[in-house]
Amino acid sequence: NAGVTQTPKFRVLKTGQSMTLLCAQDMNHEYMYWYRQDPGMGLRLIHYSVGEGTTAKGEVPDGYNVSRLKKQNFLLGLESAAPSQTSVYFCASSRERNTEAFFGQGTRLTVV
Amino acid sequence: AQSVTQLDSQVPVFEEAPVELRCNYSSSVSVYLFWYVQYPNQGLQLLLKYLSGSTLVKGINGFEAEFNKSQTSFHLRKPSVHISDTAEYFCATRRPSGYSTLTFGKGTMLLVSP
Repeated sequence: NAGVTQTPKFRVLKTGQSMTLLCAQDMNHEYMYWYRQDPGMGLRLIHYSVGEGTTAKGEVPDGYNVSRLKKQNFLLGLESAAPSQTSVYFCASSRERNTEAFFGQGTRLTVV
Repeated sequence: AQSVTQLDSQVPVFEEAPVELRCNYSSSVSVYLFWYVQYPNQGLQLLLKYLSGSTLVKGINGFEAEFNKSQTSFHLRKPSVHISDTAEYFCATRRPSGYSTLTFGKGTMLLVSP
């Protein structure tokens, strides 16, 4: 019972480098989300998707791009990493808009 | 716009004592309410949710919460905590309709000591 799986779990980037975080869910959920968690800030929504081929901006979208080419996958990209993007990133999915979200284990990203 | 306020960033308690973690929300429309728990180095796990109906909601691990519309609150309670309840707790809200997403509070760290 995998649920929501995030890859990688840890990553260190140099300023200006790019990377892609992968989120995969096996629950056939329509909705998928990317959040970042920073100390004392709670979770803030970066981007989300309400179905395959759709994406929308959340609260803090700048510096990130996303794609949902397949229903089960939601990719988060950083084109040119900055130290301010050092954070823990969580992916989540939900079956419908009014049901609870299921979270992955997180990706700890450090930008130096 | 919705917002969620968790009034305490940290709550220290002794084992077997009762605890209440406070959550207030701000919304001009009806909302769904959730409590999530995050154990160290893990993702978030749903504790309980209020969608409609009875205002007292029971969740996993002996936790419960009460929805109070007049006070716009959704406080989380447990009558007797264990060491294993040490974790960060997040209150969250979302609108029942439209393409709404979860809005989280900043979290409350529950520290249970022997």
